[in-house]
Amino acid sequence: GIQVEQSPPDLILQEGANSTLRCNFSDSVNNLQWFHQNPWGQLINLFYIPSGTKQNGRLSATTVATERYSLLYISSSQTTDSGVYFCAPGGSGGYQKVTFGIGTKLQVIP
Amino acid sequence: GAGVSQTPSNKVTEKGKYVELRCDPISGHTALYWYRQSLGQGPEFLIYFQGTGAADDSGLPNDRFFAVRPEGSVSTLKIQRTERGDSAVYLCAFPRASGRVGGELFFGEGSRLTVL
Repeated sequence: GIQVEQSPPDLILQEGANSTLRCNFSDSVNNLQWFHQNPWGQLINLFYIPSGTKQNGRLSATTVATERYSLLYISSSQTTDSGVYFCAPGGSGGYQKVTFGIGTKLQVIP
Repeated sequence: GAGVSQTPSNKVTEKGKYVELRCDPISGHTALYWYRQSLGQGPEFLIYFQGTGAADDSGLPNDRFFAVRPEGSVSTLKIQRTERGDSAVYLCAFPRASGRVGGELFFGEGSRLTVL
């Protein structure tokens, strides 16, 4: 199956700082999602981004499928951005069996 | 969360007991997925249903785990002879668009299982 590596594993930011989270994956994929898991455990969809670049407010993501990586940018971080960010590539089998990385645990301090 | 109901939200049981976890998605979704998330890990795939049939059950860890979806809507994950290592959050997920088998996945809030 697909191997997913996320970096860094842990990140502490001062409120207002910017950061980049990276996801490397081992195989060709048809789709890739980024999720934020909040402190209550809910997985929140951030981006569905099999390729290209998307932006949503202070967040943006870029996937370069040919080079098997994706980046998540967080600008002007806020304390509510704290939580775990997961990258989940998949779909090579024709359906949505995605594989999650171990995640990046982000803590934004005031 | 995201139009899917998972029950119970919390389940505490003793080692060796039988457990059922239920996923009740919004109507019309042909595809349904089960994942489980152990502490400190990302969710891992268990099983995928296309309608009533299990199209891919390669993620079920062993034969103590079984899932059904008899009418193509509600699904039940069944765990026999529970072990402490089964403790995790069990998540149900479905694709964004009704009837599609691909695309963005949305997850329920999960059922937290604790085996003492």
